[in-house]
Amino acid sequence: EADIYQTPRYLVIGTGKKITLECSQTMGHDKMYWYQQDPGMELHLIHYSYGVNSTEKGDLSSESTVSRIRTEHFPLTLESARPSHTSQYLCASSDDGGDGGGDNQPQHFGDGTRLSIL
Amino acid sequence: KNQVEQSPQSLIILEGKNCTLQCNYTVSPFSNLRWYKQDTGRGPVSLTIMTFSENTKSNGRYTATLDADTKQSSLHITASQLSDSASYICVVSDRGSTLGRLYFGRGTQLTVWP
Repeated sequence: EADIYQTPRYLVIGTGKKITLECSQTMGHDKMYWYQQDPGMELHLIHYSYGVNSTEKGDLSSESTVSRIRTEHFPLTLESARPSHTSQYLCASSDDGGDGGGDNQPQHFGDGTRLSIL
Repeated sequence: KNQVEQSPQSLIILEGKNCTLQCNYTVSPFSNLRWYKQDTGRGPVSLTIMTFSENTKSNGRYTATLDADTKQSSLHITASQLSDSASYICVVSDRGSTLGRLYFGRGTQLTVWP
């Protein structure tokens, strides 16, 4: 079992609220990722980070923002939630493999946050 | 366009039987191909990772094959168990960036019946 944790597991909240989804890993991985997954659909990368103070947008446009102040922590924030943000959000991390690339390293996923905006 | 296609979309088998899941991809350049298992309500868990030079890799009762020439991969599950019921996701990485861009399939939903 990988040591990566997401909270909360489930969140039902009203439109317009500010939301922060937490993700922490204890493996010391430099690379971290946020994915969005809808039922029966593929995962879509929305944010990633190479390390502390590094954040990049992924392939799927998202109104969320992320921060990486500490290696182990990669929270995702929605300033004003809307029903279109309803989805499952998965956090992952990976090692760089010691060569700076890490292309052949597996990603370790948390169990996700299922977000429902009413 | 870089894509990963999986078949079948869903599969039901009886406990103890074998099955094979398929993955076709058009991703180029190619770095590696991964199979993940995702239980309902959980995050994906890595089963295998294969690079260009590897054509087979096993993890217990799971055996993945790769044909980089035809851009096809399969995941064979031997002597299935109820706990094998899950979505199996094929993921292909390119070498277009240091991140190793990942292309995800939609998964095959496997159900094992007693």
